[in-house]
Amino acid sequence: TQLLEQSPQFLSIQEGENLTVYCNSSSVFSSLQWYRQEPGEGPVLLVTVVTGGEVKKLKRLTFQFGDARKDSSLHITAAQPGDTGLYLCAGRTGNQFYFGTGTSLTVIP
Amino acid sequence: KAGVTQTPRYLIKTRGQQVTLSCSPISGHRSVSWYQQTPGQGLQFLFEYFSETQRNKGNFPGRFSGRQFSNSRSEMNVSTLELGDSALYLCASSLAAGHQYNEQFFGPGTRLTVL
Repeated sequence: TQLLEQSPQFLSIQEGENLTVYCNSSSVFSSLQWYRQEPGEGPVLLVTVVTGGEVKKLKRLTFQFGDARKDSSLHITAAQPGDTGLYLCAGRTGNQFYFGTGTSLTVIP
Repeated sequence: KAGVTQTPRYLIKTRGQQVTLSCSPISGHRSVSWYQQTPGQGLQFLFEYFSETQRNKGNFPGRFSGRQFSNSRSEMNVSTLELGDSALYLCASSLAAGHQYNEQFFGPGTRLTVL
């Protein structure tokens, strides 16, 4: 059973386009993290959001935690080939993280 | 500071065999978590160790076990391997367990193939 569903599952866009990845759940999380994973490597943490409605920006990436702390979104502005990778959201309940299904992003030069 | 290291990086086993994977956390980190990553199920939590004690366990059969040593290094063992155990096994270390801002640093993983 997947607690966190991500959409879309796959995304292929041209360099310079904007995109949004969604992470949805029916469960409430105490915090939510976003990771990026590149082939042959482990996931790397991008951001942690804790408060409902919280918005964090990391250069061209904007992360938002839903008001009810059940969902989150990642928006990338002017995507670049270096943004290519697998994006994973992970929600924390108790002492355990539950990972989303992942969104595979390809940015074409 | 050296990152999380996992050995071996690649492993091929046959059904019924057992396997032991090793993880060395970042120096000073006392919490180690293990995850299984497959294309179909994504990243799933196996267990977490902190100060040599298992703190949490995911929903995996008893064939999957682990331990942590006094230097925080951790091993996981899978006995009686099945084809479905083929996966990337990831280890993540963190300073402590339980804090909501706890950042996990992942190793590159061990790619296990069961034939």
